Order: sequence, then C-alpha cells, then structure tokens
Amino acid sequence: NAGVMQNPRHLVRRRGQEARLRCSPMKGHSHVYWYRQLPEEGLKFMVYLQKENIIDESGMPKERFSAEFPKEGPSILRIQQVVRGDSAAYFCASSPPYDRVGNSPLHFGNGTRLTVT
Amino acid sequence: QKEVEQNSGPLSVPEGAIASLNCTYSDRGSQSFFWYRQYSGKSPELIMSIYSNGDKEDGRFTAQLNKASQYVSLLIRDSQPSDSATYLCAVGDTGGFKTIFGAGTRLFVKA
Repeated sequence: NAGVMQNPRHLVRRRGQEARLRCSPMKGHSHVYWYRQLPEEGLKFMVYLQKENIIDESGMPKERFSAEFPKEGPSILRIQQVVRGDSAAYFCASSPPYDRVGNSPLHFGNGTRLTVT
Repeated sequence: QKEVEQNSGPLSVPEGAIASLNCTYSDRGSQSFFWYRQYSGKSPELIMSIYSNGDKEDGRFTAQLNKASQYVSLLIRDSQPSDSATYLCAVGDTGGFKTIFGAGTRLFVKA
C-alpha cells in the first residue's frame, strides 16, 4: 500500500535554473496539496489541486511558480529561474475525497529538499 | 489572514510526565482540527484528528477541542524520549479546503 511518493528527495539547482518536483498521491486519493517549509518554520500552504484542476493557489508566489496535476501522471510543482530564497523543503500531501463536514487528514510524502546554490 | 498560533517552545518535560501542547486559531467556522508530529528532517505524520468539542483519546494522546474559545490542545501522558519532536497544530480552512498549520511547538522529553 504505497504512500505519497515524492521525487527527487534532494535537488540542487544553480540560480536561474528550473526545478521540477513530482508527487504521486496515495492510491484512492484525488486531492493533492503542496506545502513549503523553511528551516525552523511551519508548513506554508501553496496550492491545492484535483485532477486537471487547480482549486486553490492562494499560497503560490505570483511569479516563477506553477503547479499541475494532469489526468495521467504525477502532480508537478515547477519553479522557474530559482533564487536562493527558494531553498526549502517542499512537501506534497494527499487526501481522499471529502466525506464529512470539514477536511480530511493529510498524508504527507517524504518531501523534496531543494538547495539553490 | 486566517492564523493558527502555537507557542514555539521549546517545551521540556521529564520522562514519564504529561506534556501539554496548546493551539489557538482565528477561523471561527473551522470544523476540522489535527495534530501532526514531525521529527527533525522528516515529514509530518498525523497523530490525532478531532472534529467535535470535548476530548478524544488515543493511547497516550488526548486531543481537546473548545470551539467557543477557538482552542485546541494535545496532552501526551507518560512522555517518552521518543516523543521528542515538533508538534504541529493544523486547522481546516472554511474558506476553501486547505489545511492551515501553526509554526509548531518543539518538545524535549528528558530521560
């Protein structure tokens, strides 16, 4: 019973390059969330997606960041022209369809640690 | 801006003691509340979820919810050194479907 799969675990990019982070949700889960965590800080919501739809991207920076969850394949978080301030741990989480009032618990992947040099 | 507030700690308790972690939230309409544990360098893992006022117990863990006071707490009985971690309070956002996290409380259990 595979959990949320993220890859790569570690990613090093030079300033100006592109970073692509991948996430496959748990089997049976149709909701994907991306969070960013800076060292010694909490998780900051970035975007919530369902298949082929961005539901809430209120936490995404307006420039350089984009996310998708295609009909086939994993969800992708793309960061263009990375800067040192993008260095962080990026966590993907998934949840099943909602069956109650309120949110379902999130199941997290192991994260991608992005380092920008 | 909807917020979830936690005391960053660190909270230090001796082995065998009760650790009490607290959290307040700003969104009065929230219906879902969670506690996650995060070890250093690892991903968050769910400990407890609570949706109704009152207490919910699971083993050594008890979550307490008071919606009128917008307050959630987590009690850890018989604390063990392996409980040393950062505990994240999380609240479901009624404006959408995202979950908002507090900054976390670092807990140290001394052997």
